[in-house]
Amino acid sequence: AQTVTQSQPEMSVQEAETVTLSCTYDTSESDYYLFWYKQPPSRQMILVIRQEAYKQQNATENRFSVNFQKAAKSFSLKISDSQLGDAAMYFCAYRRGGDMRFGAGTRLTVKP
Amino acid sequence: EAGVAQSPRYKIIEKRQSVAFWCNPISGHATLYWYQQILGQGPKLLIQFQNNGVVDDSQLPKDRFSAERLKGVDSTLKIQPAKLEDSAVYLCASSLGQMNTEAFFGQGTRLTVV
Repeated sequence: AQTVTQSQPEMSVQEAETVTLSCTYDTSESDYYLFWYKQPPSRQMILVIRQEAYKQQNATENRFSVNFQKAAKSFSLKISDSQLGDAAMYFCAYRRGGDMRFGAGTRLTVKP
Repeated sequence: EAGVAQSPRYKIIEKRQSVAFWCNPISGHATLYWYQQILGQGPKLLIQFQNNGVVDDSQLPKDRFSAERLKGVDSTLKIQPAKLEDSAVYLCASSLGQMNTEAFFGQGTRLTVV
């Protein structure tokens, strides 16, 4: 079974600074998708960014970018110019076909 | 476009009682998921439907949990009888299909079993 590991239960960043959240996963497959979801206190899971495993180019979405290292099975999220609204739980997720698995999450605090 | 709708938002029940949650996915989405999210943990898949058929229910505690998706649209998740450890947020998600497209989530139902 595929597993997703987020080794940072909590992270903190100063407003306007940059922070990187880590994620590793375990799979024997070569074709899959990786996602970062944000979950604010409202509980709504919101997609932040996604990466197709067959693409070598790292995905970027405005202030959010990933560092995808397929051989190392690593998928980190970089948030640039952090804003107060970025404070939330962040979940890394792996999906192949219908199977979607999540990590335990990282709680991000943004300090003004 | 309307999102994934779930109800109720909150539910408090006593142990050994039964409870049901409802989910209406985004129109046209064939794949529907139910996840259980215990406080401080990531979502854990309980069951996945493709249209009205079950694709994966390997982590569903079938002695007390049941789910159905009649007509391949709305879905209900039932717990009978509830245990204290069932206290969690139950998230419903849907996607167009199984082929790696993103999943859209509802706001979840927070269940407290006392």
